[in-house]
Amino acid sequence: QVTLKESGPALVKPTQTLTLTCTFSGFSLSFGMRVSWIRQPPGKALEWLARIDWDDDRFYTTSLKSRLTISKDASKNQVVLTMTNMEPVDTATYYCARIQSKGVGWWFDFWGQGILVTVSS
Amino acid sequence: QSALTQPPSASGSPGQSVTISCTGTSSDVGAYNFVSWYQQHPGKAPKLMIYEVSKRPSGVPDRFSGSKSGNTASLTVSGLQAEDEADYYCSSYAGSNNNYVFGTGTKVTVL
Repeated sequence: QVTLKESGPALVKPTQTLTLTCTFSGFSLSFGMRVSWIRQPPGKALEWLARIDWDDDRFYTTSLKSRLTISKDASKNQVVLTMTNMEPVDTATYYCARIQSKGVGWWFDFWGQGILVTVSS
Repeated sequence: QSALTQPPSASGSPGQSVTISCTGTSSDVGAYNFVSWYQQHPGKAPKLMIYEVSKRPSGVPDRFSGSKSGNTASLTVSGLQAEDEADYYCSSYAGSNNNYVFGTGTKVTVL
């Protein structure tokens, strides 16, 4: 049974750095496995943020690349996302999701429940 | 990378069909057969409904079907049921540096 769960602060102040942890079970970040972070501002659409692969390859959405870092601790079944210089517009529910892939293509087959992060002073 | 374009809303009566469009470009939807669709009920996480344009994960009813023509993908829900009322998002692999793009979302209402 595959599960993912996000954890981290519910409230951060502007200019602070956000650190979120995704703890998963039912699979390991072994050969071929990948995990992503996606966010969704209240009432708005989903936005893909970052992806990390079993071999530590990392990919980021172009618009936020300078602010994002994704990392993993495979021994703990965890993936961590940091986002620097948080602003009120970064208020969103942040999801982690497992990736399934075929060739160059990929999609998200299992999602965490999400964590709402509010940016406010 | 711009979001894929979906109609804001769609509706149908129980038992009817509803089709949602998802328009991208020749760099994403038109370039790859890696369109997927997600269903999201209020306050819940998205759920994968369709992947690789038209494939259904185990457990997804065959009332849900997907297709693609050119730069536009579509999701059809046949035999609408009350529990199908939700937001639906399309998405696509977008090539260049492993980019990924979601649609703007469509709220489906069962009348």
